[in-house]
Amino acid sequence: QSVLTQPPSVSGAPGQRVIIYCTGSRSNIGAGYDVHWYQQVLGTAPKLLIFGNTNRPSGVPDRFSGSKSGTSASLAITGLQAEDEADYYCQSYDNRLSGRLFGGGTKVTVL
Amino acid sequence: QVQLQESGPGVVEPSGTLSLTCAVSGGSITSINWWTWVRQPPGKGLEWIGEIYHTGSTNYNPSLRSRVTISVDKSKNQFSLKVTSLTAADTAIYYCARWADYGGNPYDYWGHGTLVTVSS
Repeated sequence: QSVLTQPPSVSGAPGQRVIIYCTGSRSNIGAGYDVHWYQQVLGTAPKLLIFGNTNRPSGVPDRFSGSKSGTSASLAITGLQAEDEADYYCQSYDNRLSGRLFGGGTKVTVL
Repeated sequence: QVQLQESGPGVVEPSGTLSLTCAVSGGSITSINWWTWVRQPPGKGLEWIGEIYHTGSTNYNPSLRSRVTISVDKSKNQFSLKVTSLTAADTAIYYCARWADYGGNPYDYWGHGTLVTVSS
């Protein structure tokens, strides 16, 4: 059971908008630590998608956006495309565990 | 462009020790970054193992701390991971990654990963 909780799966039709939530607590997201998001296509290494809660690295389409509020963060994908089918992980720091941690991951399926 | 490459044995015996190395190219391991190991059991999520700075300072996942050692070799521009007392639960893809020095320190560069199977 991950300290950062994500839904196991979400799905949507091409063109639709999906949102993935990452729920934490006062010792991690709620303590003000940044949340980062990674995309992992099957059989490949994770790729940085969103850093510092809301920022996109160069080359990441603006269809991807991140936000953070209280003890939760979210990743939104607008205009869903077939190539977005992948696993998505949130990541932050926890001061009670004194370590970095990942959410359990969410599989996005494009219908 | 920074590149990371993991290397090590693909199969290790139960109760044995796993040793992996991550070679860094396109950048210096003495830069203002921390260097990290992350693992992923087959079909499961990502688990942070630990990290090291070029000065030798380390941080470890509390659940693995008693079995894990991360070290750095500045002369070879690489860092390493050792995990002792292996069980089948340690079977995973092991990734090395760089902790960026901006934006809340995300992992901005990753190796391709290496599969380690614990089996006799």
